[in-house]
Amino acid sequence: QVQLKESGPGLVQPSRTLSLTCTVSGFSLTSYGVSWVRQPPGKGLEWIAAIWSGGSTDYNSALKSRLSISRDTSKSQVLLKMNSLQTEDTAMYFCARWGTTEPYYYVMDAWGQGASVTVSS
Amino acid sequence: IQLTQSPSLLSASVGDRVTLSCKGSQNINNYLAWYQQKLGEAPKLLIYNTNSLQTGIPSRFSGSGSGTDYTLTISSLQPEDVATYFCYQYNNGYTFGSGTKLEIK
Repeated sequence: QVQLKESGPGLVQPSRTLSLTCTVSGFSLTSYGVSWVRQPPGKGLEWIAAIWSGGSTDYNSALKSRLSISRDTSKSQVLLKMNSLQTEDTAMYFCARWGTTEPYYYVMDAWGQGASVTVSS
Repeated sequence: IQLTQSPSLLSASVGDRVTLSCKGSQNINNYLAWYQQKLGEAPKLLIYNTNSLQTGIPSRFSGSGSGTDYTLTISSLQPEDVATYFCYQYNNGYTFGSGTKLEIK
């Protein structure tokens, strides 16, 4: 059974760095990628970053300078870091399985329940 | 590529045929998916590559379209279909539409 679970600090002070972890089970990070998507309260979805099954990375161009995505395959974990947080980064952060082969190329077919992040002093 | 979804809010009766629209600012080349998000839940993949039904999704859901214009159709609306629906393009970058909130009349 494919599962993804996000974990993070919940509350982060402005200007600080956010670290989120996505722990996966039921599939291998060397066979599938993982992407991150966020959703501000009451708003739509924004794709943030992805790490491919081979380890290469891809970032939202508007956020790229603030982001880092990495993985630990031995722990089945993907780590997202975002620096210089502002109040507008307050959102639910989801990780999702990222298809790296046809027909699911670039499609997110399984999602975690999300980690709520509030940026506030 | 920017995606424009319409309408933003749709109210329909149980059993109705419902059509949701997603229009791209450029050609999407059929690299279009649809997600359903119920209140307080994560998005769920319904349709990928314009018209491929994800495993386990009821056959009342279908997708169509080409170029810049795409549609999600629910052939017979059920109470459990109340949700917000997002389109997602992956032809050039990765972007979501702003969503259509579907409610029962």
